[in-house]
Amino acid sequence: EDQVTQSPEALRLQEGESSSLNCSYTVSGLRGLFWYRQDPGKGPEFLFTLYSAGEEKEKERLKATLTKKESFLHITAPKPEDSATYLCAVQATRGKLIFGQGTTLQVKP
Amino acid sequence: GAGVSQSPSNKVTEKGKDVELRCDPISGHTALYWYRQRLGQGLEFLIYFQGNSAPDKSGLPSDRFSAERTGESVSTLTIQRTQQEDSAVYLCATGRGVGTSGGGEQFFGPGTRLTVL
Repeated sequence: EDQVTQSPEALRLQEGESSSLNCSYTVSGLRGLFWYRQDPGKGPEFLFTLYSAGEEKEKERLKATLTKKESFLHITAPKPEDSATYLCAVQATRGKLIFGQGTTLQVKP
Repeated sequence: GAGVSQSPSNKVTEKGKDVELRCDPISGHTALYWYRQRLGQGLEFLIYFQGNSAPDKSGLPSDRFSAERTGESVSTLTIQRTQQEDSAVYLCATGRGVGTSGGGEQFFGPGTRLTVL
């Protein structure tokens, strides 16, 4: 069964304290791994797509990496405005995305 | 419009009533998805439309749930005889469709918050 597990569930950082979020997955025939950011009361906002092991993508203070079993979202020198829930999802059959439960990040000034 | 829009933004209904939720996609996006997000939970896939293909209904939790899409335009999600466990945020997402450049990316609307009393 296709499955996505994110850890930790919650993460508190001081401003400037770098860290990583983990997304472990099991899927038959990965067509893509996606990272989204979700702010309270809003729909998820697309961040990255990764398609193959070894691929990396960056956007401002965020960097996403992919292996055959997991993906990491690295946050370098975070700011309070990076506080949000970060969702990981995999795409297997057709267009359906399977989401993890998310990691809620809080960055304190 | 520039993004996916959903209406209403909030809906409060009584147990047993039917509700209809609407999604207006980004122009040109052939793929449309509905997800459910319960409080503090991840997103749960409900249904997927891609062009003229038969929709993937594998995520619909019961026969009280149904969805329609008119061509590549508006979609409506209908929940009949609502139950308290249906309370959640219902999110719609659209995309260019699997197999196209960037086609796996999905762009979400703000959601409809449904409360069943």
